[in-house]
Formats: sequence, C-alpha cells, structure tokens
Amino acid sequence: DTEVTQTPKHLVMGMTNKKSLKCEQHMGHRAMYWYKQKAKKPPELMFVYSYEKLSINESVPSRFSPECPNSSLLNLHLHALQPEDSALYLCASSQSGVQTQYFGPGTRLLVL
Amino acid sequence: QKEVEQDPGPLSVPEGAIVSLNCTYSNSAFQYFMWYRQYSRKGPELLMYTYSSGNKEDGRFTAQVDKSSKYISLFIRDSQPSDSATYLCAMSDSGGSNYKLTFGKGTLLTVNP
Repeated sequence: DTEVTQTPKHLVMGMTNKKSLKCEQHMGHRAMYWYKQKAKKPPELMFVYSYEKLSINESVPSRFSPECPNSSLLNLHLHALQPEDSALYLCASSQSGVQTQYFGPGTRLLVL
Repeated sequence: QKEVEQDPGPLSVPEGAIVSLNCTYSNSAFQYFMWYRQYSRKGPELLMYTYSSGNKEDGRFTAQVDKSSKYISLFIRDSQPSDSATYLCAMSDSGGSNYKLTFGKGTLLTVNP
C-alpha cells in the first residue's frame, strides 16, 4: 500500500483565520514532506521531517508552521495567510535516504 | 540555465500513438530519476524510478536515462485517453540525508480517442 492521505480536500479561509492541514501515512516511512503547488507549476518543497525532526525548512514564512506528532502524522498549521498563499498543498513521504517520494492527493486552499 | 528543462507542451496525440516525453538536466551529480503523472487537481503519482543510466520497463511505460547526454525519457506505448495528464520528471543527486527533488516544469499530455 503506497497511500498518503490528506485532509481536508478543500479549505477556504480568511486572512485572520487559523486552520490546520493533516497528512497520514502507514507505510513506515520516516521522512515526510510538505510541498506547495501553484497552477501549471511543479511542486515546491516547503518542509522536510526526518525521524520526526524538522530537517529542511525552505525559508517558508512563519505563517506556516509544521508539526510532526509521530512517525505517521504530519500537520501544517496556517495562520494569517495571504491570498497569494492559495495553492494545492501536497504531503509526501519516503523511506529515509530513499529518493522515491509518494504524494497524497493534496489540499486545495483558497485564502480570501 | 535551469537545472532541469522539460518542454511544457501541450502535447496532443491520437489514441494508440507512442508518446515520448523528455527532460534534460545540467547537474552531473543527479543519479536518481523519477517520472510522476499528475491528473488535474490531484497529487503526483510515481510512475517510474531509475537509478543511474539505463532502461526500465513497466507495462506500457519505458524510462530511459542517458547520463552521458544528461537526458531522460519516458515512452508510453499504445497511449490511452486515461494517460491524459501532466507528466513531471524529477531527479536527485544522492541518498542519505538529501531529500530534495528537482522537478521539471511538467508536460501536459492529451490523448484523443
């Protein structure tokens, strides 16, 4: 089973709201990722967790706050977003040190 | 020069055609090469994974890597309307602690019935 699940599928939020995106995998992968994808563009890496520790932060604004509660779960907390943050947010996972990443279906976020 | 170049298309072919999708890259350290398929408004799905040079076949899909030319290809035989999607190449330069993939821009493919 190579499934990564994400909730919610769609999210609309105002610029003053606080919301969270959730991601789950049960493949025993120890690396988990958040990506942002705009229309007609490839995914852009935001954060990488390895063994539940943040190992890469691609200079993402602090209004995005990742959290890895355990080896199967990854959250992305959102606060005071801007309309330009509207995008498809993708979670992915991989075995540690292995390059093949498996993506979830994404959360389509609209910031009003 | 971008690290990975991929013709964005769009590419439109009739059903049953052989499709060739390509990426070129400049970083000679890349060793891991992947192709992802992404349907509209969905997450990317891993199609093929190749380490170093050579060919890999999986059903109607064949991935080729030519490291001497810094060129990778994905061939789709007997293309079907269900193959209509954006195809992304991705590559990486090592295992271990390097988790970064470098993506091409993606090629939009339409297979017409």
